[in-house]
Amino acid sequence: DTEVTQTPKHLVMGMTNKKSLKCEQHMGHRAMYWYKQKAKKPPELMFVYSYEKLSINESVPSRFSPECPNSSLLNLHLHALQPEDSALYLCASSQEGSLSGELFFGEGSRLTVL
Amino acid sequence: KNEVEQSPQNLTAQEGEFITINCSYSVGISALHWLQQHPGGGIVSLFMLSSGKKKHGRLIATINIQEKHSSLHITASHPRDSAVYICAVEPNTGNQFYFGTGTSLTVIP
Repeated sequence: DTEVTQTPKHLVMGMTNKKSLKCEQHMGHRAMYWYKQKAKKPPELMFVYSYEKLSINESVPSRFSPECPNSSLLNLHLHALQPEDSALYLCASSQEGSLSGELFFGEGSRLTVL
Repeated sequence: KNEVEQSPQNLTAQEGEFITINCSYSVGISALHWLQQHPGGGIVSLFMLSSGKKKHGRLIATINIQEKHSSLHITASHPRDSAVYICAVEPNTGNQFYFGTGTSLTVIP
């Protein structure tokens, strides 16, 4: 299994809603990432989990709350989002460490905030 | 300041043409990745390179570590190659990947 699975594929939410994005991989990868991508822009790193611990938080607003319940799962909890948070949210995983870091991406969750 | 620069930003080619996309970076790296993103969003990893050259089918990727430069070549291009190609580098200082801004390729039949 060489897949990173993200759900849901599409999500529309209001500014007062609470929702979650989910990401799952079964490749034994120990690094997992959340990226945000706006149209025609490269992915922007939000969070990195390494061995289930948050290792990088790129000054992301607290309305985005990541969670790594176990080595295969990564969640992104969303609360009180703004319309400018509408974007494609990509999850990725890689082996920990250099020279073995082939990056595997999910298909993304396209989020629209009304 | 972008750690990774790609050129060209946009590229239109006729079917069958040989295509080259370039990537230059400014940091020390442990690996460089070429990614393909189709409309709709999904990103696929094409290559991971730390030296030399790799080939998968019609795709060839090369890297020159001394010059901090990599190229992605597509031979006998086809309309299904139309996508955004993104160069990403894995710095040798940590987990964070740096991404180029992507090259949008359109191959016309």
